[in-house]
Amino acid sequence: DVKVTQSSRYLVKRTGEKVFLECVQDMDHENMFWYRQDPGLGLRLIYFSYDVKMKEKGDIPEGYSVSREKKERFSLILESASTNQTSMYLCASSPFSGGGHMGTDTQYFGPGTRLTVL
Amino acid sequence: AQTVTQSQPEMSVQEAETVTLSCTYDTSENNYYLFWYKQPPSRQMILVIRQEAYKQQNATENRFSVNFQKAAKSFSLKISDSQLGDTAMYFCAFRVGIQGAQKLVFGQGTRLTINP
Repeated sequence: DVKVTQSSRYLVKRTGEKVFLECVQDMDHENMFWYRQDPGLGLRLIYFSYDVKMKEKGDIPEGYSVSREKKERFSLILESASTNQTSMYLCASSPFSGGGHMGTDTQYFGPGTRLTVL
Repeated sequence: AQTVTQSQPEMSVQEAETVTLSCTYDTSENNYYLFWYKQPPSRQMILVIRQEAYKQQNATENRFSVNFQKAAKSFSLKISDSQLGDTAMYFCAFRVGIQGAQKLVFGQGTRLTINP
């Protein structure tokens, strides 16, 4: 079974702190994603990565950065946390989908990190 | 820009009943994929069912089936013989194209409660 793990289930930080959220997958997936989940808004894509050291902005990248130094690990960084970044953060991974094989396009999600910024 | 709309924030049915969750989307693309994901309380999000837009036949997975209306841009999920374990947030999601990093666009979610 694919396993996606996130470093913390719950996290409380102060405004202005630098925050690191870690995500690790064990299935050698090329693609990794960070979303935030807010009531009434669903999931919104922050950043994604399709290869080591590669990253692309999603729909709401402002205030966030990412790092992917190893294939299995994708980190989300809040350089200076603010109260409006209080949210549930979900990491996901998926294999490369070249060739149009539908069976490879499922995204596998981690358990989420509920971040509260005070 | 692609958008996905789930117009039912919450639904509640009795165990063993059939329930249908609605989803509409907007795109000018012709080749795309649609998904329903399930997020049980305090548990990880998992894929329920997927549909390729070029396939006319509606996808089914055991008690879960979809009603895909391409012209109407509608993609509803039907759960038959609902069970207590079906209680969860359900998200409709949309993805354009075949190759690439598989960006998904999600709807707002529907909180489904199955009552005993």
